Amino acid sequence: GAVVSQHPSRVICKSGTSVKIECRSLDFQATTMFWYRQFPKKSLMLMATSNEGSKATYEQGVEKDKFLINHASLTLSTLTVTSAHPEDSSFYICSASSGTANSPLHFGNGTRLTVT
Amino acid sequence: GENVEQHPSTLSVQEGDSAVIKCTYSDSASNYFPWYKQELGKGPQLIIDIRSNVGEKKDQRIAVTLNKTAKHFSLHITETQPEDSAVYFCAARGSGGGADGLTFGKGTHLIIQP
Repeated sequence: GAVVSQHPSRVICKSGTSVKIECRSLDFQATTMFWYRQFPKKSLMLMATSNEGSKATYEQGVEKDKFLINHASLTLSTLTVTSAHPEDSSFYICSASSGTANSPLHFGNGTRLTVT
Repeated sequence: GENVEQHPSTLSVQEGDSAVIKCTYSDSASNYFPWYKQELGKGPQLIIDIRSNVGEKKDQRIAVTLNKTAKHFSLHITETQPEDSAVYFCAARGSGGGADGLTFGKGTHLIIQP
């Protein structure tokens, strides 16, 4: 089945620093990638949608200058949390789709970000 | 936008019994309904999905039913096993197909009692 790899799985950083999370589709071309955020014991909240070669579309309330998304190739999207603060601590999960009408959505294993 | 409601939030069943999780959605244009299983510290794993032109789909012990008129769909797990314990999420996707993000329910914590 389709595999989505996310790296790192865990990261701890100091307040004010930036963190980059990578999401790769290993065996298919992902024209569309999605970034979700999940708080403990809560559901997944869509943060942004990125299409290869174009700017990401952010959901309402998500700061695009804080959560920088780059989707430079059909197999890689990155999320950079800039000037991280403790309230940015969360579980970030990417997903990828080939973008066709009936394509399922496959998720990475998530990144646990802790900002100290 | 789409709104997905999921019940119950927690479900405890005896090993070997069946478990049913129900979801409703609001957008009649939604046409794809996947179910995900999430284990602690991991990303969601797709376990079964159904499209709006189908009423029921089965894969071994797992089945999903869809009532498009009533805008609800359900996950059925039979002969439950300890490894079925996890959080299950239903989701709905609009007519934009693979270019649309999913709207998730709040999740059901399924506990299989040995």
